[in-house]
Amino acid sequence: AQSVTQLDSHVSVSEGTPVLLRCNYSSSYSPSLFWYVQHPNKGLQLLLKYTSAATLVKGINGFEAEFKKSETSFHLTKPSAHMSDAAEYFCVVRMDSSYKLIFGSGTRLLVRP
Amino acid sequence: DAMVIQNPRYQVTQFGKPVTLSCSQTLNHNVMYWYQQKSSQAPKLLFHYYDKDFNNEADTPDNFQSRRPNTSFCFLDIRSPGLGDAAMYLCATSRARVSSYNEQFFGPGTRLTVL
Repeated sequence: AQSVTQLDSHVSVSEGTPVLLRCNYSSSYSPSLFWYVQHPNKGLQLLLKYTSAATLVKGINGFEAEFKKSETSFHLTKPSAHMSDAAEYFCVVRMDSSYKLIFGSGTRLLVRP
Repeated sequence: DAMVIQNPRYQVTQFGKPVTLSCSQTLNHNVMYWYQQKSSQAPKLLFHYYDKDFNNEADTPDNFQSRRPNTSFCFLDIRSPGLGDAAMYLCATSRARVSSYNEQFFGPGTRLTVL
């Protein structure tokens, strides 16, 4: 069975400092992995996706994530946080043989001025 | 720009009064999904359409129905809303269902309040 664990429910950083949102997954096969961002009262926006190409994936707004099979991790990073990055972030896994997205529980990112 | 549109953005209904939420897409995608997202939770898939083929999730209550009259539009009907149905409802689309092309694109959501 597939599952996703987001290790932190809340992360607080100062503006201009690095962001690290942690995600571990459990999957029997090579999964596709996604990070989505959700601002308050908005839909989900795709930040980036891993689909068995390069292990370091670059996304929008300066975010990137590295797929580490040995650690079953797909952590999201950004070198310098901006106030507009404050939002809920979801790590998501999907098997190529399935239409279903398996969501993590979400991490709320707070950015302090 | 190609996109997923949901109307209305905010919907208030009364306990037990049927309500319909609307989703349209200009992406010409084959698959349309409806999710329910309660406060501080991850989205939960209710059902999806692959073309005209309706696929219900096993734990979706009978109170929730859906219609897809054409490729562009999909509706979520809640026959008798209860207080527990208050949530954000998200529509999503994907080009395919099972392949590397089933990246899902989400609409902005409709927030449903039940009085």
